[in-house]
Amino acid sequence: EAQVTQNPRYLITVTGKKLTVTCSQNMNHEYMSWYRQDPGLGLRQIYYSMNVEVTDKGDVPEGYKVSRKEKRNFPLILESPSPNQTSLYFCASSLYQEQPQHFGDGTRLSIL
Amino acid sequence: GENVEQHPSTLSVQEGDSAVIKCTYSDSASNYFPWYKQELGKGPQLIIDIRSNVGEKKDQRIAVTLNKTAKHFSLHITETQPEDSAVYFCAAIYYGGSQGNLIFGKGTKLSVKP
Repeated sequence: EAQVTQNPRYLITVTGKKLTVTCSQNMNHEYMSWYRQDPGLGLRQIYYSMNVEVTDKGDVPEGYKVSRKEKRNFPLILESPSPNQTSLYFCASSLYQEQPQHFGDGTRLSIL
Repeated sequence: GENVEQHPSTLSVQEGDSAVIKCTYSDSASNYFPWYKQELGKGPQLIIDIRSNVGEKKDQRIAVTLNKTAKHFSLHITETQPEDSAVYFCAAIYYGGSQGNLIFGKGTKLSVKP
C-alpha cells in the first residue's frame, strides 16, 4: 500500500530536549516536504527536498533542521524545541513538486 | 510572496444541497491548483486538482473551476452527503524562488447536516 509514515504520532516533551520526527514514503517519490498546521493558520511549509541531498527552506524554517540521505526518508529535527513549536506536523511526498502530494497522518507535538 | 485567500472559513449546508468554496491567489505564474480534504485525525487527502491550461474539471460530484484572468478558483460539491463533512484546503503553486512550492489557504470547515 502506497503511504507516508510518520513517527511518533504523539509526543509530549520539554523545552530544549532534542527530538526527531521520522518520515518515510514507499512510492519512490522525488519530492518531500514538512508542514506545520496551527489553528487559523492553515498548513505552512517548513522545509522541502527536491531529491536526495537537496533540501531548502519553506516559509517557517526557524528552529528546524532536515536531512535527505535516502530517497525514502526525510526526518524533521528539532535541536532545541521551544513551546512555540507545539503544533501538528505533516510530512508529504509527491513524484515532483507539481504533482499531487500524499500526506502522512500527522505528528502532534507538545513542548512544555 | 504568494498569498492564497480562502472563503468562507466555515460552511454549513443541508444534505443534498451544493457547497461552493472560493480561493484567490496572487502569483500570476501559478499553474497548479489542488484541493485537499482533511478528516478529523487524518492528513489532508487530494480530492481534485486543476492546471492552468483548463478552465474546469469534474469528478463525479466534485468540480473545480479556474479563472486565470481573475486569479481565482473554486470547488463545487453537488448533492452533499454527511461524509463530505471535513476541512477543505485549496492551494496554489508559487514560483517565488527557483522552485515551485505549494501555498495553502487557511481552510474551510464544511458541515453537512442530515
